[in-house]
Amino acid sequence: GQQVMQIPQYQHVQEGEDFTTYCNSSTTLSNIQWYKQRPGGHPVFLIQLVKSGEVKKQKRLTFQFGEAKKNSSLHITATQTTDVGTYFCAGSRAAGNKLTFGGGTRVLVKP
Amino acid sequence: NAGVTQTPKFRILKIGQSMTLQCTQDMNHNYMYWYRQDPGMGLKLIYYSVGAGITDKGEVPNGYNVSRSTTEDFPLRLELAAPSQTSVYFCASRRESSSEKLFFGSGTQLSVL
Repeated sequence: GQQVMQIPQYQHVQEGEDFTTYCNSSTTLSNIQWYKQRPGGHPVFLIQLVKSGEVKKQKRLTFQFGEAKKNSSLHITATQTTDVGTYFCAGSRAAGNKLTFGGGTRVLVKP
Repeated sequence: NAGVTQTPKFRILKIGQSMTLQCTQDMNHNYMYWYRQDPGMGLKLIYYSVGAGITDKGEVPNGYNVSRSTTEDFPLRLELAAPSQTSVYFCASRRESSSEKLFFGSGTQLSVL
């Protein structure tokens, strides 16, 4: 079946630094979504990428979809304590009803 | 809008007991999903539904059952609770498949002892 992997599993970041988390799928995706889960909370949608090579920005967050539509990345600049949480990518196959989640990257910010 | 509502928020079960996790949404979404999240892990799909009367298995359906008699409600049933079912359960919904974002409920934390 479809597998979605994320690396790293944990990311300890000094406040103010940048970091990137990566998402890789075993199959070609029709789209990829990113979610953020704060500690003790539920996943909340951040963004969706659909086109090959697409890049989208949300303030300090930059999301990219790979040319082959099998990988994606999330880059956060000038990390803040509000960025603490787990970031999940989730992919769908073409015409698929299911969304397969990666294992997540848990981000801890050191002030 | 209430969005996706899950009850209860917490529950402790003894091995072999049964229970139903409730999920209801008021957004008229056709697609509904049940995920489980083990401590420090990602989300695994248990069951999903694309409309009233239609359900299908996800990655980890064993030990669970679902029904979808109305658009709003998608309950998850555990018949014989086992320690391996200790997890946080999230219900989610979306209007259509693939291109739509998921809206999650606040989760049910279940412990089986």
